[in-house]
Amino acid sequence: QSALTQPASVSGSPGQSITISCTGTSSDIGTYNYVSWYQQHPGKAPKLMIYEVSNRPSGVSNRFSGSKSDNTASLTITGLQAEDEADYYCKSYTSSSTWVFGGGTKLTVL
Amino acid sequence: EVQLVESGGGLVQPGGSLRLSCAASGFTFSTYEMNWVRQAPGKGLEWVSYISSSGSTIYYADSVKGRFTISRDNAKNSLYLQMNSLRAEDTAVYYCARDQRGFGEIDYWGQGTLVTVSS
Repeated sequence: QSALTQPASVSGSPGQSITISCTGTSSDIGTYNYVSWYQQHPGKAPKLMIYEVSNRPSGVSNRFSGSKSDNTASLTITGLQAEDEADYYCKSYTSSSTWVFGGGTKLTVL
Repeated sequence: EVQLVESGGGLVQPGGSLRLSCAASGFTFSTYEMNWVRQAPGKGLEWVSYISSSGSTIYYADSVKGRFTISRDNAKNSLYLQMNSLRAEDTAVYYCARDQRGFGEIDYWGQGTLVTVSS
């Protein structure tokens, strides 16, 4: 159950777009479409932003989108806003009938 | 309004035990799969355990298998995590988390309860 691989940090200026990658293996992301993304502000509980690779829950801005190619999932945020500054985590179902998170990515809005 | 309220955290010595509880309200608890997720201080999220809506299917992370036991009481709208043989590396905030559709997407989280394992 190794953690999925995410960049430790990404940054962008207001209005720009950024993409956070999440790399797994053929035993998780590569086989299953049960990939989700979470946003966590300091001291707060995580918030679901994307589920099943590319679906947005009700209430989540359409500036957030998800995709997947082979063993890598991606979260793209367009039109960056100051409030997007947070930690982001990916999560995937695995062939062991378990789930695994990524190590997390700190997004800084410059 | 969906609410998940954890309790039972605290300071425990290595090798000790602790039982976490999660009181659910605002939704039909018996129809949702549930999870425990933890976060060590300053670290990332770690999935700990999953239980199906009926309690018949249970999964654990390798890091806690054989030491932790997840359970639920649908009549009491409650989720539990019995933690035995605790280690320093189990120190974390433990979140009770509702699974949106049973595929691991967590749509509601509790506020978390801190477990500290230290002598």
